Amino acid sequence: AQSVTQLDSHVSVSEGTPVLLRCNYSSSYSPSLFWYVQHPNKGLQLLLKYTSAATLVKGINGFEAEFKKSETSFHLTKPSAHMSDAAEYFCVVSDLGTNDYKLSFGAGTTVTVRA
Amino acid sequence: DAGVIQSPRHEVTEMGQEVTLRCKPISGHNSLFWYRQTMMRGLELLIYFNNNVPIDDSGMPEDRFSAKMPNASFSTLKIQPSEPRDSAVYFCASSFKAGNSYEQYFGPGTRLTVT
Repeated sequence: AQSVTQLDSHVSVSEGTPVLLRCNYSSSYSPSLFWYVQHPNKGLQLLLKYTSAATLVKGINGFEAEFKKSETSFHLTKPSAHMSDAAEYFCVVSDLGTNDYKLSFGAGTTVTVRA
Repeated sequence: DAGVIQSPRHEVTEMGQEVTLRCKPISGHNSLFWYRQTMMRGLELLIYFNNNVPIDDSGMPEDRFSAKMPNASFSTLKIQPSEPRDSAVYFCASSFKAGNSYEQYFGPGTRLTVT
């Protein structure tokens, strides 16, 4: 069975400073890992995905994440936060097994950006 | 591409009434998912269709919930009779299988309030 743990329920940063959102995963098989963002009253938007290719994954809006198998981590970073980055972020895992359609969502990290 | 389309965006109904939520997936996608999002339980997968066939409905809460996918471009989620505890945001997502992973695209959601 797969699962993810998002280590911070809330992160507050100043505009222009780096953002780090931490995620650890558990998977029985080779995982696919995703980060989704949800702005208030909106659906979830895919930021980036890891699917066993390059371990450093670049996504939209300047975000990137690094897959570290030894640490079972998939942390999301952005070098310089923008006000529009204020949203909720979900780390998501799926197993490359029989039930590879099943996504396991983390509890979410709410990002606040201070002017 | 219009993305996943859901209607209505907001629904307010009284307990005991029938509610029907609608979804149009992205053209060319062969998988469709219905999720429910609440503060208490986060995102839960209700049902998964592949090529219009229900594959996994283990997440459907009880017999009051039913889902159909009569063709590749339309799906419905029905609640009959509705109860206040059904109040949530319901998301539809669609995907195609790219390599070894599903990349799911979410609609904007339907916010259901049952009074």
